[in-house]
Amino acid sequence: GESVGLHLPTLSVQEGDNSIINCAYSNSASDYFIWYKQESGKGPQFIIDIRSNMDKRQGQRVTVLLNKTVKHLSLQIAATQPGDSAVYFCADKKNEKLTFGTGTRLTIIP
Amino acid sequence: GAVVSQHPSWVICKSGTSVKIECRSLDFQATTMFWYRQFPEQSLMLMATSNEGSKATYEQGVEKDKFLINHASLTLSTLTVTSAHPEDSSFYICSASGQLYGYTFGSGTRLTVV
Repeated sequence: GESVGLHLPTLSVQEGDNSIINCAYSNSASDYFIWYKQESGKGPQFIIDIRSNMDKRQGQRVTVLLNKTVKHLSLQIAATQPGDSAVYFCADKKNEKLTFGTGTRLTIIP
Repeated sequence: GAVVSQHPSWVICKSGTSVKIECRSLDFQATTMFWYRQFPEQSLMLMATSNEGSKATYEQGVEKDKFLINHASLTLSTLTVTSAHPEDSSFYICSASGQLYGYTFGSGTRLTVV
């Protein structure tokens, strides 16, 4: 991910709607990507991952899409719930290190 | 599943003192542990990587004499912030990685230096 110390972008979504969170990464050699959810005052929580030999992976209510051509990753959350409100980070792995993206604050509107 | 315990969850210390933060992998052997720092409304920035029994590898711009890392066993790594100053106030998070489990994060430590 590209982390440049900027303040978090925000996304507000109506409860029940789908949300899409985007992330750009810079290292074309990254071979593994992870989406994390971070609630206030807590550590990141694993959501879903994808390897570079795939372009889509689905989990429960979440889907990750990987576009290696443009170095772009997205997280789709279906039927959002109030508990989905958090900050979401993408991370990419190279040489065993994870680099985190800027993050997006997702707010679910009741 | 993999669990990483980080302690303390928050600490307040006086300027000039040292603070130690512990990171333990509870149910797996962590060959590698990572320490991150996170300022409010910002992303996680990797500070250092430690492998059990070896010296830690620090990221550019991180002072190794200020942030002492010890990874004495496969289940424990410690970060000591020496001679802490108010600008060291931050949220410190560890992550552990092992053969069976990928990157599992601790719950973080909120350090406030007054």
